[in-house]
Amino acid sequence: QSALTQPASVSGSPGQSITISCTGTSGDIGNYNLVSWYQQHPGRAPKVIIYEVTKRPSGVSNRFSASKSDNTASLTISELQAEDEADYYCCSYARSSWVFGGGTKLTVL
Amino acid sequence: QVQLQESGPGLVQPSETLSLTCNVSGDSIRTSYWSWIRQSPEKGLEWIAYMYYSGNPKYNPSLESRVTILVDTSKNHFSLKLNSVTTADTAVYYCARGGSSWSGYYNWFDPWGQGTLVTVSS
Repeated sequence: QSALTQPASVSGSPGQSITISCTGTSGDIGNYNLVSWYQQHPGRAPKVIIYEVTKRPSGVSNRFSASKSDNTASLTISELQAEDEADYYCCSYARSSWVFGGGTKLTVL
Repeated sequence: QVQLQESGPGLVQPSETLSLTCNVSGDSIRTSYWSWIRQSPEKGLEWIAYMYYSGNPKYNPSLESRVTILVDTSKNHFSLKLNSVTTADTAVYYCARGGSSWSGYYNWFDPWGQGTLVTVSS
């Protein structure tokens, strides 16, 4: 059970859009529509922003969207705001267990 | 609104057992799946275990030989025990609702507790 692969860091200016990729295998992302994404600000617990690949929980901004293709999931944040600066983690079901990505630090320039 | 709160020792001796409890408030523990997740600088977020309130626990294969998750419906809390700890088990431990593999039913982790730092050291 290996961690999902995410870029260590991404950056963007306010108002721009960024995309974070999350690469797994046919044993996790490629085989289940059970991908979720989490936002974590320093010193805080993670918070779910996407579940079941594309769904947004109530209260999460529609600036957050996500998709999946084969073994790779992607999170897109549009109209970047300063408050979006945080760490982002993907997560996938993987045959009776769960695996997280290594995390991506988003810097808003 | 469901709230979770972890409790337990912040320092554990090597080779001893790490024991944590997660108190659930705002809802019955009988309504969902419950999980333990930890986070360290070395390994990032690592899922440890999940369990439905009535049983059938599932464990991270890399930890399965050392870990037990239990649910106590009378106290509306669930617990984690990790045996034979080493310094590699030093992490912030989170409890969270979720872990189901069922479509539309808590197959995500939310909410999370605030986390508790457990240090393994002599």
